[in-house]
Amino acid sequence: QSVLTQPPSASGTPGQTVTISCSASSSNIGSNPVNWYQQLPGTAPKLLIYRNNQRPSGVPDRFSGSKSGTSASLAISGLQSEDEADYYCAAWDDSLNGWVFGGGTKLTVL
Amino acid sequence: EVQLVESGGGLVQPGGSLRLSCAASGFSFSSYWMNWVRQAPGKGLEWVANIKQDESEKYYVDSVKGRFTISRDNAKNSLYLQMNSLRVEDTAVYYCARARDCSSTNCYKAWFDPWGQGTLVTVSS
Repeated sequence: QSVLTQPPSASGTPGQTVTISCSASSSNIGSNPVNWYQQLPGTAPKLLIYRNNQRPSGVPDRFSGSKSGTSASLAISGLQSEDEADYYCAAWDDSLNGWVFGGGTKLTVL
Repeated sequence: EVQLVESGGGLVQPGGSLRLSCAASGFSFSSYWMNWVRQAPGKGLEWVANIKQDESEKYYVDSVKGRFTISRDNAKNSLYLQMNSLRVEDTAVYYCARARDCSSTNCYKAWFDPWGQGTLVTVSS
């Protein structure tokens, strides 16, 4: 069982907005920033959002992140078929003295 | 181009050993904390270990402590993971990843970028 909790699946139709949640405790998300990674089928994970809401260059502004207390969210607007992927949240955990990931959310574009 | 390329994966029997390598290029390898992250078949990501630039600090997930050793050779721009006493549950794709924006003392606010393509380790009799 993952330290960070994500819904196992999410779905939407093209053009819609989908939100993926990530929750945990004060020792990780509550104390440290959250990063999001996208893993397209059969490929390595790729950085999507860092420090709660920062987008690396090359990531479309359709992707946005937020954090409040011990929860974080990833929003994808204007959903496209190429957004079908697994999405993972991650944060440093002060109690475990290591990185923790969410279990991943599989996004399906209907 | 910033790139990480893992190698060394394969099939090993329970109790056996394997050494993974990660070759870095396109950036100043000696300036960054580095990490290993694994993904069991059909499962999520699990951070395994990280190492400071000068090897003075190393951290491990509890499940591999005492069995795995992370190391690096800055002269060769390479990261390693020595895996001993392997178990069936260690079967996974192992990725190396660079930590961005660590402070001089920790990586609490860092992120992983880039990731390598991964190398598959299968522990089975």
